[in-house]
Amino acid sequence: NAGVTQTPKFRVLKTGQSMTLLCAQDMNHEYMYWYRQDPGMGLRLIHYSVGEGTTAKGEVPDGYNVSRLKKQNFLLGLESAAPSQTSVYFCASRRGSDSPLHFGNGTRLTVT
Amino acid sequence: KQEVTQIPAALSVPEGENLVLNCSFTDSAIYNLQWFRQDPGKGLTSLLLIQSSQREQTSGRLNASLDKSSGRSTLYIAASQPGDSATYLCAVRRGTDKLIFGTGTRLQVFP
Repeated sequence: NAGVTQTPKFRVLKTGQSMTLLCAQDMNHEYMYWYRQDPGMGLRLIHYSVGEGTTAKGEVPDGYNVSRLKKQNFLLGLESAAPSQTSVYFCASRRGSDSPLHFGNGTRLTVT
Repeated sequence: KQEVTQIPAALSVPEGENLVLNCSFTDSAIYNLQWFRQDPGKGLTSLLLIQSSQREQTSGRLNASLDKSSGRSTLYIAASQPGDSATYLCAVRRGTDKLIFGTGTRLQVFP
């Protein structure tokens, strides 16, 4: 039972490069989320989706884009990476708005 | 704006102690509150979810309470063990989709 799987686990980018982080869940969950976690800042919501084909902005959406073409996948894109985007990125999902949130193990991204 | 505060930021206790972690939120209009643990280098694991209509939830040695009127939740850990060492976070659900997280309490239980 895989749950929420994030790839890659680690990545180093140079300023200006682009990349896509993949989140996959096998629990048939409707809701999916992308968070970033920074020391002293806690978890902050970047973008989220309430179902296949939908996306919405969270607290800190600038510099990121997302897509939810398939229900089980939620992609986070960085078009032009900046050092301020150095962080640990977590994907999460849940069945419904009253259900517990399940997290992946995170992607550690460094932008130099 | 909803703010979620967890005090203390860090806690170190000997094995066997019963302990209480605190979570405060400024806006009592929440739908539910969830407690998580996070081990170093890992994602968050859900521990307990309390709906706004509930007062408490229990799972094994863990008990979480919710007092919406005072904007507080507590996580009680009975007979703490070294394996309980982790960071504990609370999150409140505001609106239909969004969770607001506290910054966590880092717990160390020593033998």
